[in-house]
Amino acid sequence: TQLLEQSPQFLSIQEGENLTVYCNSSSVFSSLQWYRQEPGEGPVLLVTVVTGGEVKKLKRLTFQFGDARKDSSLHITAAQTGDTGLYLCGSQGGSEKLVFGKGTKLTVNP
Amino acid sequence: NAGVTQTPKFQVLKTGQSMTLQCAQDMNHEYMSWYRQDPGMGLRLIHYSVGAGITDQGEVPNGYNVSRSTTEDFPLRLLSAAPSQTSVYFCASRPNRGLSRGYTFGSGTRLTVV
Repeated sequence: TQLLEQSPQFLSIQEGENLTVYCNSSSVFSSLQWYRQEPGEGPVLLVTVVTGGEVKKLKRLTFQFGDARKDSSLHITAAQTGDTGLYLCGSQGGSEKLVFGKGTKLTVNP
Repeated sequence: NAGVTQTPKFQVLKTGQSMTLQCAQDMNHEYMSWYRQDPGMGLRLIHYSVGAGITDQGEVPNGYNVSRSTTEDFPLRLLSAAPSQTSVYFCASRPNRGLSRGYTFGSGTRLTVV
């Protein structure tokens, strides 16, 4: 089973700061998905990355997929309080089993 | 579109009781999965299905049964509830076409076993 390590586990920053969270795997990803989860809700898909070296942008969020397809990062520019939530990475590793890391809990303080 | 609907939203069970968590989706998605979420553990896959009549085990299947008689429904059964099954349960679905299609999650069922 593919293991996904996310870091940091917790992150508390001030509004306007930049941040990066990471997702690393013990084996090659076939695809890598990032989700954000708010309290009391299910996760919501942010992006899927498939190709090694791929970079995707979603407004202030930038997602990178490592060349070797074993790591990914999510960078948020000028964080806002609305970015607060649990950020999860998930990978299918070639099968339909989508497994997740333990997540990064982000708190953006006003 | 309702998306993925989970019922009930909250449930308290006594140890040894049985119950079924319901999950229905109206998007004609082939793939469906059940996850449990515990503090500090992220989401762990219980069972999944790639189509009607086909199910398979995930990371933590013990104590849970599933069936997929229709494309729309994917119920999760607890035959004899244990306190270790206290958790938040999420159902999710996605279409089978396109690797970039992520899962759509329901809003969860919070289960407490006493």
